[in-house]
Amino acid sequence: DAKTTQPNSMESNEEEPVHLPCNHSTISGTDYIHWYRQLPSQGPEYVIHGLTSNVNNRMASLAIAEDRKSSTLILHRATLRDAAVYYCIPLGGTGANNLFFGTGTRLTVIP
Amino acid sequence: GAGVSQSPSNKVTEKGKDVELRCDPISGHTALYWYRQSLGQGLEFLIYFQGNSAPDKSGLPSDRFSAERTGGSVSTLTIQRTQQEDSAVYLCASSRRAAGYEKLFFGSGTQLSVL
Repeated sequence: DAKTTQPNSMESNEEEPVHLPCNHSTISGTDYIHWYRQLPSQGPEYVIHGLTSNVNNRMASLAIAEDRKSSTLILHRATLRDAAVYYCIPLGGTGANNLFFGTGTRLTVIP
Repeated sequence: GAGVSQSPSNKVTEKGKDVELRCDPISGHTALYWYRQSLGQGLEFLIYFQGNSAPDKSGLPSDRFSAERTGGSVSTLTIQRTQQEDSAVYLCASSRRAAGYEKLFFGSGTQLSVL
């Protein structure tokens, strides 16, 4: 199984960048690294994903280590609406072996 | 288009009763996943369907839990003889196919309370 390790919680001041780390040392070569976030009382929503190269979209950036054993989700300017639990999960093809979300990182944004 | 729809949004039942939870995935999505989330906890994988293949039931916590997916679309998660420890939010997700490059789309969940 590709398990992940994330800090339980992090804090950021509003409008400052946030770097959320994730270790996934048992990731397989074909797994994509996905990030989801869960706002209070909602289901998780997709944030970003990548395979090897760093990725950018309107929500965030994803920096992937060269050995792919870790990644960092970057929120360039945290807003109060970014307060959520952030999950990283390596996802591969068929099979449920790596469909396990960890407990994620609870991000608190301080006004 | 419509996202993943789950019903009911809330369900209160008595211990020992059976419950059925419904998930309507995004049209055309062949992969469907059920998760459970207890209060303040992460997501616990339950079961996964991919197309017409046999579902992967490796996450189901006991034989009181079962799920089916009819016509490759709607899925129903059934919990028989509910127990208080079954109280949780049950989340459904779908993706176009079971591949690492595909995003998962989650519903808002069903909050199950067993009294």
